Amino acid sequence: QVQLVESGGGVVQPGGSLRLSCAASGFTFSTSGMHWVRQAPGKGLEWVAFIRYDGSNEYYADSVKGRFTLSRDNSKNTLYLQMNSLSAEDTAQYYCAKQRSSLPTFDYWGQGTLVTVSS
Amino acid sequence: QSALTQPASVSGSPGQSITISCTGTSSDVGGYNFVSWYQQHPGKAPKLIIYDVNHRPSGVSDRFSGSKSDNTASLTISGLQAEDEADYYCNSYTSSSTLVVFGGGTHLTVL
Repeated sequence: QVQLVESGGGVVQPGGSLRLSCAASGFTFSTSGMHWVRQAPGKGLEWVAFIRYDGSNEYYADSVKGRFTLSRDNSKNTLYLQMNSLSAEDTAQYYCAKQRSSLPTFDYWGQGTLVTVSS
Repeated sequence: QSALTQPASVSGSPGQSITISCTGTSSDVGGYNFVSWYQQHPGKAPKLIIYDVNHRPSGVSDRFSGSKSDNTASLTISGLQAEDEADYYCNSYTSSSTLVVFGGGTHLTVL
């Protein structure tokens, strides 16, 4: 069965960096577009970033552009999100999600990893 | 402020039907048939329940249906059950550089 397991979350000081990972299994990772979606405590879902199946292009929400970098290693079935210059506004549960067909269709989600930006 | 507008809350009694709206613009909801809906229970990851406006993934109850008119997409849940109480989110492809936009979410209370 499809599994997405995020890791790398934790507490980081403002201005700091963190790298999230998402280990995928149960499907052909190398042919699937992948996304990160975050959810601040008590708030709604916010799309963060997308990377094409072959890593040829990445797209970012305006709120993270220039600070976050999305990458993938298809040989390891793993997705990465490098987050720099973190601020309190980045505090959220971060979910990786598999794209089904059309761009906004996320058919499988991980359980998420919590990032807390606090001094 | 979310790019897509949803009512903050809706409610209904068991057995009734409810509809949740998701309003965008011609650059997103109105311009493409790429609207999805997700159900999220407290402390859980979201679950896909509708994609491409009105398609149901395998395993999703046929009590859930989607539609779209102009810049507004809708999710209808018929025969409400207690287990339907959850938060519901729409999203859409957008022609802006953002690519994907979500609605602010709607909390459904089953009375």
